[in-house]
Amino acid sequence: KAGVTQTPRYLIKTRGQQVTLSCSPISGHRSVSWYQQTPGQGLQFLFEYFSETQRNKGNFPGRFSGRQFSNSRSEMNVSTLELGDSALYLCASSETGTEETQYFGPGTRLLVL
Amino acid sequence: AQSVSQHNHHVILSEAASLELGCNYSYGGTVNLFWYVQYPGQHLQLLLKYFSGDPLVKGIKGFEAEFIKSKFSFNLRKPSVQWSDTAEYFCAVIPQASGTYKYIFGTGTRLKVLA
Repeated sequence: KAGVTQTPRYLIKTRGQQVTLSCSPISGHRSVSWYQQTPGQGLQFLFEYFSETQRNKGNFPGRFSGRQFSNSRSEMNVSTLELGDSALYLCASSETGTEETQYFGPGTRLLVL
Repeated sequence: AQSVSQHNHHVILSEAASLELGCNYSYGGTVNLFWYVQYPGQHLQLLLKYFSGDPLVKGIKGFEAEFIKSKFSFNLRKPSVQWSDTAEYFCAVIPQASGTYKYIFGTGTRLKVLA
C-alpha cells in the first residue's frame, strides 16, 4: 500500500495570508490526524477527523481548521498566518484512530515571513 | 493538563553503549503508551507500544520499554546502540478517558551515536 502523502512539501507565505495543506491517508484508513511540529514544542495535536467528522481537537486557535472528504483525504487550513505558525505540519492516518498505530506522512514545512 | 515529559533533550553515546530514554506522563487513569522514532530524512514510525499485559514491551531493532504504573513512566531502553540508531525519539500517550483518543507527544530526544 502507498503511504501517507502530503502536499505541498514546502510552502513560504507571508503574515496575514492563509494556507491550505492536503493529506491523503493510506488506503482503507478512515482516521486522519494533524500535528504541528516545532523544535521547542515537539508534536502538538491539532485535530482528528474520522468519517468526515472532527472527532477530537487540540488546543489551537480557531484560525486552524480542517475537513475530511468522503474518500478520507483531509485538508488543513490556517487563516491569517502569524510568524509563529512556521512549523512542520504532519498528517497521520490509522484505520479507526483509536488505540492503533498511526502512520505518518513526510510533512509540509511551512515558513511564514 | 495532561502532558508527557522527556527529560533528555539531547543524548550522545558511543556505539555499544547502553541507552535509556526517560518518559513520564501526567495522567492518573488508563493509558496507551508509544515510542515513535524519526530517522534523519524519514517519516515518524512506530518503535513499540503498550496497551496492557506484560509491562515490558519489545519493539523493533532491539528496543524495549518498561511501563511502571506507579512512576507514570515508560522508559525506552536498548542494551547496545548502533550508529544507525541516530534519530529523534518521541514518547506518546493516549489517555483513555471519555472515549476520546488524543495522542499527546513528548518534545522528543535527539540521540546521536558516535561510530
